[in-house]
Amino acid sequence: EVQLVQSGAEVKKPGESLKISCKGSGYSFTFYWIAWVRQMPGKGLEWMGIIYPGDSETRYSPSFQGQVTISVDKSISTAYLQWSSLRASDTAMFYCARLSHGIASRSYMDVWGKGTTVTVSS
Amino acid sequence: SSELTQPPSVSVSPGQTATITCSGDKLGDTYACWYQQKPGQSPVLVIYQNNKRPSGIPERFSGSNSGNTATLTISGTQAVDEADYYCHAWDRSTGVFGGGTKLTVL
Repeated sequence: EVQLVQSGAEVKKPGESLKISCKGSGYSFTFYWIAWVRQMPGKGLEWMGIIYPGDSETRYSPSFQGQVTISVDKSISTAYLQWSSLRASDTAMFYCARLSHGIASRSYMDVWGKGTTVTVSS
Repeated sequence: SSELTQPPSVSVSPGQTATITCSGDKLGDTYACWYQQKPGQSPVLVIYQNNKRPSGIPERFSGSNSGNTATLTISGTQAVDEADYYCHAWDRSTGVFGGGTKLTVL
């Protein structure tokens, strides 16, 4: 079964760092781009960025460039999303998803993780 | 299509047809897809490449895309279809989501 398993919920304080994960299984992880999507409480889906596990090429949405870091360890089929200094406004659900056809207009997110809730509060 | 606009809400009676639109500049020149999200759940792909249904998605879901508007149509809407729906398209190498539409089945 193709699946993306995300790490568990996190509760952090402002200023702390955090790295959440997304582990792929049941398919050739190296050959499919992974996207990260934010959903703030009660709000819609926002595209954060994508990474290609094969060569770690990364592309960020302008809104998230410099705010987060997307990385990957293909040896363990895991993608990451990390913050160096969290803010209360980072409180959200974060999903990873697999892109079906890479960076192409015909591509879509065909497999989603269950999401990781991040709560940032003092 | 750097911005995609959806109506915040759509209401439909059971058994009727629900239509959700997604507007963006020259959206019809690219592919659109649609995701369904129920409370507390991850999004689920319901339409891809404008009008294709993934395996397991009921036939009552259909899509189209032309001009500046992509449309998700749910024929014979059922209570189980009540959810948020998001359109998505690509703008160069960046994905863009619509703001989402809450479908209420009254």
